[in-house]
Amino acid sequence: SFELTQPPSVSVSPGQTARITCSGDALPRKYAFWYQQKPGQAPVLVIYDDNERPSGIPERFSGSTSGTVATLTISGAQVEDEADYYCYSTESSGHQRVFGGGTKLTVL
Amino acid sequence: EVQMLESGGGLVQPGGSLRLSCAASGFTFSTSGITWVRQAPGKGLEWVSSIIVSGGTTFYADSVKGRFTISRDTSASTVYLQMSSLRVEDTAVYYCAKVWGSWYFDHWGRGTLVTVSS
Repeated sequence: SFELTQPPSVSVSPGQTARITCSGDALPRKYAFWYQQKPGQAPVLVIYDDNERPSGIPERFSGSTSGTVATLTISGAQVEDEADYYCYSTESSGHQRVFGGGTKLTVL
Repeated sequence: EVQMLESGGGLVQPGGSLRLSCAASGFTFSTSGITWVRQAPGKGLEWVSSIIVSGGTTFYADSVKGRFTISRDTSASTVYLQMSSLRVEDTAVYYCAKVWGSWYFDHWGRGTLVTVSS
């Protein structure tokens, strides 16, 4: 079955660059998307189509993909960026959708 | 303004059934896709099922295939998730979300809690 693998946690100091990776065999052929979720809230889309940022999302959020690894980069992370981050994609047939296990970002 | 509103959650015994509703507004429902995503307490997000409203094409995660059925009522701009043979591990907050673009979820509801317990 198709899986996306993320590190359980990433920790940075305010102002540093945070990088969260997501690995999956279909990523060379399928887009990666990234969601931010804060406690008690619904997820919010922060990156779509590998590297596009929705309106209203700060420029410090960016995405990239190389081979089987997608990366969410937060340049100059802020305390308010502390949240769980999930990558999401589809398997090769397009019928199954999958979320990564999530990465808890700590900024302190 | 796009709004997604889930309802129908509650407490149900193992083996029981429950129907969730997702009322959508603020966009052209008939040409959209709608998805259900769940989150067990303290756990990550899990895609459950999706439907292409115009043709009724449906997709299911392996974990719910054969037990859950997604459907839509275009006159009411509502998508349903009929859940049967419920298991303790189906306990979760169930979110519905609107599908957009290259099949991502751009607007989410607040979720409805389903608890499967005896």
